[in-house]
Amino acid sequence: DSGVTQTPKHLITATGQRVTLRCSPRSGDLSVYWYQQSLDQGLQFLIQYYNGEERAKGNILERFSAQQFPDLHSELNLSSLELGDSALYFCASSVDITGSGNTIYFGEGSWLTVV
Amino acid sequence: AQSVTQLDSHVSVSEGTPVLLRCNYSSSYSPSLFWYVQHPNKGLQLLLKYTSAATLVKGINGFEAEFKKSETSFHLTKPSAHMSDAAEYFCVVSDPWGTYKYIFGTGTRLKVLA
Repeated sequence: DSGVTQTPKHLITATGQRVTLRCSPRSGDLSVYWYQQSLDQGLQFLIQYYNGEERAKGNILERFSAQQFPDLHSELNLSSLELGDSALYFCASSVDITGSGNTIYFGEGSWLTVV
Repeated sequence: AQSVTQLDSHVSVSEGTPVLLRCNYSSSYSPSLFWYVQHPNKGLQLLLKYTSAATLVKGINGFEAEFKKSETSFHLTKPSAHMSDAAEYFCVVSDPWGTYKYIFGTGTRLKVLA
């Protein structure tokens, strides 16, 4: 158990809908990262938050947004969903922002299926 | 900029034989390197990490990796494969000054044959 908690574990929704994925980082970790993993794209970095502030943006679509709350949990909002958004979405956390030598811990992921 | 290359997308070994998963990195400074394992439908789990201490790093489940600066490599090895080792393995380099703090390789899928 990595200590990173993600909900829901599985989600099936229709095209055009909106969903919210939730993540609680490990106790004491201030950085939260979101990744998308699909068969054709592999593991893609979406966005990073540190202590409530957005710090880095990767290949995140404009239809997607995220935030980190004062209690450090984070939410990834996916809207106007398309079939191609079906993927495994991972949340990860690390103790600080730098990434230097600090381990990044992954949750079990949220499986999103868009039908 | 940091980068990491996993040289094999698929590796097949027989149970009980050695495992070698290859990773090369590019870094303009002394990097931190990691290996993660992902079993089917699971999250990524840390196997081991290198952070400029001993060049031979021992991890969980009998895996180890050796940091070779001259070859810019960080290959993952295990003396004897077990069926439960079948999974996808990711080599990762940290990039403290880059936008993406952790750069992931494209993964190597390990198949273990009975």
